[in-house]
Amino acid sequence: QVQLQESGPGLVKPSETLSLTCTVSGGSIRNNYWSWIRQSPGKGLEWIGFVYYTGTTNYNPSLKSRVTISMGTSKNQFSLKLTSVTAADTAVYYCARAPGGLLPFDYWGQGTLVTVSS
Amino acid sequence: DIQLTQSPSSLSASVGDRVTITCRASQDIDTWLVWYQQKPAKAPKSLISAASTLQSGVPSRFSGSRSGTDFTLTISSLQPEDFATYYCQQYKTYPPTFGGGTKVEIK
Repeated sequence: QVQLQESGPGLVKPSETLSLTCTVSGGSIRNNYWSWIRQSPGKGLEWIGFVYYTGTTNYNPSLKSRVTISMGTSKNQFSLKLTSVTAADTAVYYCARAPGGLLPFDYWGQGTLVTVSS
Repeated sequence: DIQLTQSPSSLSASVGDRVTITCRASQDIDTWLVWYQQKPAKAPKSLISAASTLQSGVPSRFSGSRSGTDFTLTISSLQPEDFATYYCQQYKTYPPTFGGGTKVEIK
């Protein structure tokens, strides 16, 4: 059974960089698309972007200028960096897997709340 | 981006009721639509993909259908464990987008 677990700071100051890591267990990171999705009361569910295990990425145009998603140094991890955060970036952040580039997300992490506040 | 409009945003129903939730796409997405169920403090779980294909392990009381750009999720007989929020998501084009959600509450 594939499991995903997000980790990272729960509090980030405005204008700083939000950094999260997703650790994948129980399955191969190869041949899958690994996404970050966030959920906030104001904007609902929002896809941030994906990284393919080869390193190929695709980002939501609404966030593209501030987002970097990359495979981790550990073989079973990938990460999210979101720069210049504001209160609008406060959300629960999920990592998720899709078996293809445009397919439903079949495995999700439990989510981690990130609050942007000074 | 493709906009998905769900209705209603919330509903109250009783155990045993038939419940219908609608998701309207702003343009043709063929059948590239998935329905998720989300319970409080949990991640979404997929129920139906390709508009009408039940995911493995999902009870048969859940069904999905499509008419043009309108999609429907039906729960034929609401059970206590079905009280949750339901979301549609299109995967026709990037970026994948989600509907605003329908919260199903106990009457």
